[in-house]
Amino acid sequence: KNEVEQSPQNLTAQEGEFITINCSYSVGISALHWLQQHPGGGIVSLFMLSSGKKKHGRLIATINIQEKHSSLHITASHPRDSAVYICAVSSLPRVEHNAGNMLTFGGGTRLMVKP
Amino acid sequence: SAVISQKPSRDICQRGTSLTIQCQVDSQVTMMFWYRQQPGQSLTLIATANQGSEATYESGFVIDKFPISRPNLTFSTLTVSNMSPEDSSIYLCSVPAGGPYEQYFGPGTRLTVT
Repeated sequence: KNEVEQSPQNLTAQEGEFITINCSYSVGISALHWLQQHPGGGIVSLFMLSSGKKKHGRLIATINIQEKHSSLHITASHPRDSAVYICAVSSLPRVEHNAGNMLTFGGGTRLMVKP
Repeated sequence: SAVISQKPSRDICQRGTSLTIQCQVDSQVTMMFWYRQQPGQSLTLIATANQGSEATYESGFVIDKFPISRPNLTFSTLTVSNMSPEDSSIYLCSVPAGGPYEQYFGPGTRLTVT
């Protein structure tokens, strides 16, 4: 079982729809990240959160530490939101690497928003 | 936020050849990470590169195949050696951000091996 699981793997929506992408993890974490990857391959960090909820424009990210679950919501979706959304967790520090920054990635959710 | 650039942005290479990917950061950072993303897959950490010491490779990755240089605090290279079609991937470098658990990512290098 992967340490970070995302659902759905693929999602097609109509412009204007409310979108939810889910992420579950099985390890102890320091923080959870939502990343956006566009077709060219570059990755942009959307959110980093360790508790509660964050909002940026039409994007909302929530996390439930007890349930080891996070959701990314997109309100009033638009075709330009089409991308792969990746959930990643910063595991509790690994002493041998001394790199608390190291991330474990989910498989990604490929979102297509149609006009 | 850090600005990261990678060169080349994409390349198509012949089997058996090698390609060196460059990663440049606009600020000094101690650690740099190299990731591989095979088609349809998630990102996998290849190695962590610290300036002044040898890179630390993750399980499944070896220095002979992916030699890494880290000559200063703003620059690193990853070489994909003796390439095969299985090496066709997006290769990304990243650096820690200001907070303890954040990372900034480069734009990626899309490699196709024929």
